[in-house]
Amino acid sequence: EVQLVQSGVEVKKPGESLKISCQCSGYNFASYWIGWVRQVPGKGLEWMVIINPGDSDTRYNPSLQGQVTISVDKSISTVYLQWNSLKASDTAIYYCARQYHVVQPFDYWGQGTLVTVSS
Amino acid sequence: DIQMTQSPSSLSASVGDRVTITCRASQSISNYLNWYQQKPGKAPNLLIYAASSLQSGVPSRFSGSGSGTDFTLTISSLQPEDFATYYCQQSYSLPRNFGQGTNLEIK
Repeated sequence: EVQLVQSGVEVKKPGESLKISCQCSGYNFASYWIGWVRQVPGKGLEWMVIINPGDSDTRYNPSLQGQVTISVDKSISTVYLQWNSLKASDTAIYYCARQYHVVQPFDYWGQGTLVTVSS
Repeated sequence: DIQMTQSPSSLSASVGDRVTITCRASQSISNYLNWYQQKPGKAPNLLIYAASSLQSGVPSRFSGSGSGTDFTLTISSLQPEDFATYYCQQSYSLPRNFGQGTNLEIK
């Protein structure tokens, strides 16, 4: 069974760093791209970034480049999304999802990680 | 960036109704168009990919059509579990933008 299991709820202060995770199982991890999608509560979906776990090729949304970093640990089939300095505007639910190829849709999704940034 | 515009933004309908949601791309995306359903508190779920291909396990009352810049998602006979928010997404170029969503409510 394909599963993408995300790390839990985070509450942080502005300026703090954060790394959330997406652990994948039930398929050949290196054969599928993993992406992150952001959703401010009550709002729409924003495509952020994707990574190919096989070769770490990454594609960022230009509007977000430099604000977040995606990475992968193939040894534990896990993809990460990292911030060095959080802002209140980073408050959102973050979903990871997989796709077979860069032009394919996201066919399996994680359960979401709620990140709240507040002083 | 390619902008995706859905209409309507919200829609009220009854069980058994036929419903159509439209998605327009700001430039041609061939058939690189996907549709997702999202229920409150849940992750999105893929319904349709490549404009008209039904994802495995999705009921046949869902269908998609279109190419170029104009696309539609049709639900042939609404069921109670279909009341949700629907998003289109282009997978033609980066960033893979989503539409703003269509909230389908019970009349």
